[in-house]
Amino acid sequence: DAGVIQSPRHEVTEMGQEVTLRCKPISGHNSLFWYRQTMMRGLELLIYFNNNVPIDDSGMPEDRFSAKMPNASFSTLKIQPSEPRDSAVYFCASSLGAGEVGQPQHFGDGTRLSIL
Amino acid sequence: GDSVTQMEGPVTLSEEAFLTINCTYTATGYPSLFWYVQYPGEGLQLLLKATKADDKGSNKGFEATYRKETTSFHLEKGSVQVSDSAVYFCAQFNAGNNRKLIWGLGTSLAVNP
Repeated sequence: DAGVIQSPRHEVTEMGQEVTLRCKPISGHNSLFWYRQTMMRGLELLIYFNNNVPIDDSGMPEDRFSAKMPNASFSTLKIQPSEPRDSAVYFCASSLGAGEVGQPQHFGDGTRLSIL
Repeated sequence: GDSVTQMEGPVTLSEEAFLTINCTYTATGYPSLFWYVQYPGEGLQLLLKATKADDKGSNKGFEATYRKETTSFHLEKGSVQVSDSAVYFCAQFNAGNNRKLIWGLGTSLAVNP
């Protein structure tokens, strides 16, 4: 079975550019999560969707970040304009259900983002 | 608020040594508890879970028991291998937390041959 697919795996771009990260969740999963991981702050939940609807975006750092889920099989996380402090590994995860007891999250391999 | 606290790493062990990584939590009610593992260059993957007090989760030789009295979920393995080198995350799920996982900061484990 295909797992969570993220693209690109690596992104290097200059400050001020727009960055778009993509995620395809596992088929049949109806919850999707975007995380950011850095050495300083560890793993941070940015936003999560249930049935394509954003449920909690309290972790989105600022207005430069936006996320969409136009359908059950695709989500994007966009940063515009990007800044060097946005450099991190961004993970997408999906799960079955809205966090019911015992349902694990399945993670993609992440996008390593470097903003110069 | 609800939280998860893990022992700080890095933890460095020799092959076949006994492993314990401590995890404690604070929560209102009775959360489900999880251990996830992250191998180098990969995303996190579920290692084991326990959904109620006194449950023991186990997988790949790892075990953790949900202890309500001590609000703990310590990860143990009797004999570690070099391939166990990874970062280990403890997490809790409580429906009262807007249905989000609450994560620990992770503990890095390095196993030397």
